[in-house]
Amino acid sequence: EVQLVESGGDLVEPGGSLRLSCAASGFTFSSFWFHWVRQVPGKGLVWISRISPDERTISYADSVKGRFTISRDNAKNTLYLQMNSLRAEDTAVYYCARDLFAYHDYWGQGTLVTVSP
Amino acid sequence: QSALTQPASVSGSPGQSITISCSATSSDFGVNNHVSWYQQHPGKAPKLMIYDVDYRPSGVSSRFSGSKSGNTASLTISGLQAEDEADYYCNSYTTSNTYVFGTGTKVTVL
Repeated sequence: EVQLVESGGDLVEPGGSLRLSCAASGFTFSSFWFHWVRQVPGKGLVWISRISPDERTISYADSVKGRFTISRDNAKNTLYLQMNSLRAEDTAVYYCARDLFAYHDYWGQGTLVTVSP
Repeated sequence: QSALTQPASVSGSPGQSITISCSATSSDFGVNNHVSWYQQHPGKAPKLMIYDVDYRPSGVSSRFSGSKSGNTASLTISGLQAEDEADYYCNSYTTSNTYVFGTGTKVTVL
């Protein structure tokens, strides 16, 4: 069974940093691209970032470019999102999602990041 | 990276058909078939309902169908059921190697 489990969400002050993790199981992690998607509670989904299996191809939304870094550890079957210089508007539930030919076929349950003094 | 435009809400009675539109302001949307649709119930993760414009993943009801014409994609739900009440989002892969979601549509079953 495919499973994606996010963790690392927390309350952090503006300007702070946080690293999210997404632990994968039930499939060959190293063969797939992955995404991070976020959702402000009560609002819509927003795509954040994507990474290729070998980490050679990475893309970001303009809203997080230069502040967030996506990475992965294929040996640990884990996807990461390093978030720096956090702002109040980064407050959201963050989802990891597996990519299958440009669509998101499996999603985690999400982890909440709250940026507040 | 502007969001794709969807109606805020669509409603229908049980058994009816409804259609949700998804429009792009740029030609990015119109030059590929990497359009997908996601269903999200309150407090839950999104679920893939349609991919590559009009393909259904295994396990998704045949009452869900997709189409695209020019810069507008559509999701149709036939034989509307109470369990279809949820938020729906379209998504497209852009020529900038990024992705963009729609603004989201709340479907209400009357």
